[in-house]
Parts: sequence; structure tokens; C-alpha cells
Amino acid sequence: DGGITQSPKYLFRKEGQNVTLSCEQNLNHDAMYWYRQDPGQGLRLIYYSQIVNDFQKGDIAEGYSVSREKKESFPLTVTSAQKNPTAFYLCASSTQGMNTEAFFGQGTRLTVV
Amino acid sequence: GENVEQHPSTLSVQEGDSAVIKCTYSDSASNYFPWYKQELGKGPQLIIDIRSNVGEKKDQRIAVTLNKTAKHFSLHITETQPEDSAVYFCAASTSGGTSYGKLTFGQGTILTVHP
Repeated sequence: DGGITQSPKYLFRKEGQNVTLSCEQNLNHDAMYWYRQDPGQGLRLIYYSQIVNDFQKGDIAEGYSVSREKKESFPLTVTSAQKNPTAFYLCASSTQGMNTEAFFGQGTRLTVV
Repeated sequence: GENVEQHPSTLSVQEGDSAVIKCTYSDSASNYFPWYKQELGKGPQLIIDIRSNVGEKKDQRIAVTLNKTAKHFSLHITETQPEDSAVYFCAASTSGGTSYGKLTFGQGTILTVHP
């Protein structure tokens, strides 16, 4: 089955630690995205990538980093510099360009303890 | 950049009634407007989308209308059912430059359909 897979579903992190969220897709999509979801604020874009080895900052990139070494994979690292990391993180992919449907993963809920 | 406002934030209806959710956008260059449904603990799923070259699109009980002049678009759900209960998001696609294909989302509407 084609789709987009995020892991893990739940993640706990101690303050001061970096943590990496995984996102893999087998849809052969060029573009991939990371969104953060907080109650009442909708989805806010963290980073996006339209092609391998290239990515751009979204609206709330501070405290996050990404890489895009393979077309299928777009991992997100939440660094210790992110002041409020507890949130629901969503990865998405789409064919390159506008006017195309974005497919979302099931999300990772990150909690800082 | 693009800004999308969505209203209402919560909507409660009786089964069988209609539900309407409205969104406005700021970037006149946006020309793709999808609607997503998100169930608890899951990722959003596309339910319907509209492009700027049409004013209305229907898919069974769901319809979307677009007014490009006023820069607003709406989701209409008729004959609502309890399984329609979810969070609904509108979005607009920002065109041009490095923003090519990037979606900007509204804040979401929690729809509750009472049996």
C-alpha cells in the first residue's frame, strides 16, 4: 500500500534533549512537509522540501532542523532550543507544485517531561 | 505571506441538519483551496478541493463554494451524520517562488453532530 508513515506515534523527551521524528513515504512524491498542530491554532508549517537535498524554512522553523537526503525520507529533529516542543507533529507529502493534494501521516505526539 | 481565517471554531448541529464552515484568505494569487477532515488522533484527510477556475464543486453530501472577488470559500455539509463529527480545516495554496505548493491552513472547526 502506498502511503506516508510517521514513527513513533508517541514520544517522550526530557528537557534539554534533542529528538528525531521519522517520516517516510512511498508515494514517489517530490515535496514533503512538516507541520506542528496545537489546540486552536490549526497546522503551522515548520519546514518543507520540494526536492532532494533542498529544503526551506516555514513559519515556525526556530528550534527545529531537517534533512532530505533521500526522496522517501524527511526526518525532523526537535532540538533543545525549541522552547515549547510539546505538540502533535504531522508530516505530509505531495507531487511537486501547487494545486496538488497533500497526503498526511498519522502524526507523532511529542511530550516533554 | 498568505493568511487564512476560519469560522466558526466550534459548530454543533443535530443529525440531519446542514453545517457550514467559512474561510477567508489574503493572497489573491492563491488558486487551490482544499478542505481536510481530521479525526481524533489521526492525520488530516482531504475531503474536497476546489480550484480558482470554478465557483462550486459537489461530492455527494459535501460542497464547496469559492468567491475569488471576496476571497472567501465555504464548506457545506448536508444531512449531517454522527460520523461527520471531526475537526475540519480549510487551506489555501500559495503560489510563486519558493512557496510553490505550500499550503496555509485555517485554525480548524470542531464539528459535533448530535444523534
